[in-house]
Amino acid sequence: DQQVKQNSPSLSVQEGRISILNCDYTNSMFDYFLWYKKYPAEGPTFLISISSIKDKNEDGRFTVFLNKSAKHLSLHIVPSQPGDSAVYFCAANRNYGQNFVFGPGTRLSVLP
Amino acid sequence: GAGVSQSPSNKVTEKGKDVELRCDPISGHTALYWYRQRLGQGLEFLIYFQGNSAPDKSGLPSDRFSAERTGGSVSTLTIQRTQQEDSAVYLCASSPSDRVGETQYFGPGTRLLVL
Repeated sequence: DQQVKQNSPSLSVQEGRISILNCDYTNSMFDYFLWYKKYPAEGPTFLISISSIKDKNEDGRFTVFLNKSAKHLSLHIVPSQPGDSAVYFCAANRNYGQNFVFGPGTRLSVLP
Repeated sequence: GAGVSQSPSNKVTEKGKDVELRCDPISGHTALYWYRQRLGQGLEFLIYFQGNSAPDKSGLPSDRFSAERTGGSVSTLTIQRTQQEDSAVYLCASSPSDRVGETQYFGPGTRLLVL
């Protein structure tokens, strides 16, 4: 029973275009969400986060959108660069405990 | 100033043997987490430490799994009587505190293969 879903295992985008990575969750108690990026043979690195009191958070080329009613969030990368090629994990957390729940990841390939 | 380190980076073991995985968190980080990632799946939370105590062990899959942390620093995850389904990448992360939403910094992981 996956509480955090990333239904696209992979995504290919041309350099310079927008990459949109999607994440759906089932637990309405989740109120904090993060995106991590993972290169091969390395641990995940934090990318951007959003609290449930917001519906958008922006950091440079990365923007995360949260739609609480749809239990959906998305990560937009614009413009996409070849160095963005990695696996992106969505993670969710409740307002107590430290039990982050991660999605299975989406592998992004940015083609030059 | 180094990041989170884990050892060994790779471990191959026979079914039924015990293994120990080590995590060195970032200096000064009080919170430490263990996750595992099976092939094609997301990260699965195992256990979290605040200092040397483990307030949340809810993710440990069976009593064959245990973890300890000493001196508020190094942590060891022990898997007894390994099974083939234990094969996964085991990731450790640390964070400066256990405040809700605190960013976790991950190590490179230990790839465990149980034959």
